[in-house]
Amino acid sequence: QVQLVQSGAELKKPGASVKVSCKASGYTFSDYYVHWVRQAPGQGLEWMGCINPSSGVSKNAQKFQGRVTWTRDTTTSTAYMEVNRLRSDDTAIYYCARLMVPGVMGAAFDIWGQGTLVTVSS
Amino acid sequence: EIVMTQSPATLSVSPGEGATLSCRASQFFTSNLAWYQQKPGQTPRLLIYLASIRAPGIPARFSGSASGTEFTLTISSLQSEDFAVYYCQQYYDWPWTFGQGTKVEIK
Repeated sequence: QVQLVQSGAELKKPGASVKVSCKASGYTFSDYYVHWVRQAPGQGLEWMGCINPSSGVSKNAQKFQGRVTWTRDTTTSTAYMEVNRLRSDDTAIYYCARLMVPGVMGAAFDIWGQGTLVTVSS
Repeated sequence: EIVMTQSPATLSVSPGEGATLSCRASQFFTSNLAWYQQKPGQTPRLLIYLASIRAPGIPARFSGSASGTEFTLTISSLQSEDFAVYYCQQYYDWPWTFGQGTKVEIK
């Protein structure tokens, strides 16, 4: 079945970096944009950015510009999100999500990864 | 950036009753809106896309509508499994944005 499986929880110190993976299966990885959404403890959902797995071109929310990098490995059908210079307010569950429509950047998210908890604490 | 404002923040409803959740956009756009349900400890689940189309497997008691900049999610008769947080999200324009959520709780 179609699914996204993310890497496990991470505990990082302020100023460090974290790289979260999102492995796709059950569909053609290159056909659908992968987006990333985070959720701080007890808070709502925040869109972070996305990547076109076919081209590698990414787009992110302004607040993450220069601090977050989106990459992908088409040979393993895996998307990656790397956050640098972590702060305590980056503590959140990070989700990858697939669009329900192939080939477009904007559509509803029909498949979600299980989430990766990233805790930033000294 | 399009700001999505949901109301109310919390809605107390008795099982079997209906619920109406609102999501207002800061600017007009057509249809590119989704609704998600999230239960504690779970990932969000897509309920509605293109403002009014139910996602596969979503019960008919969930319906969505749009009027101008106002989007509405209606649950016709709440079941026990419907008590959750609901988010709207626009995907009309970058950056995609979510509302802050409406918690539907048992009255």
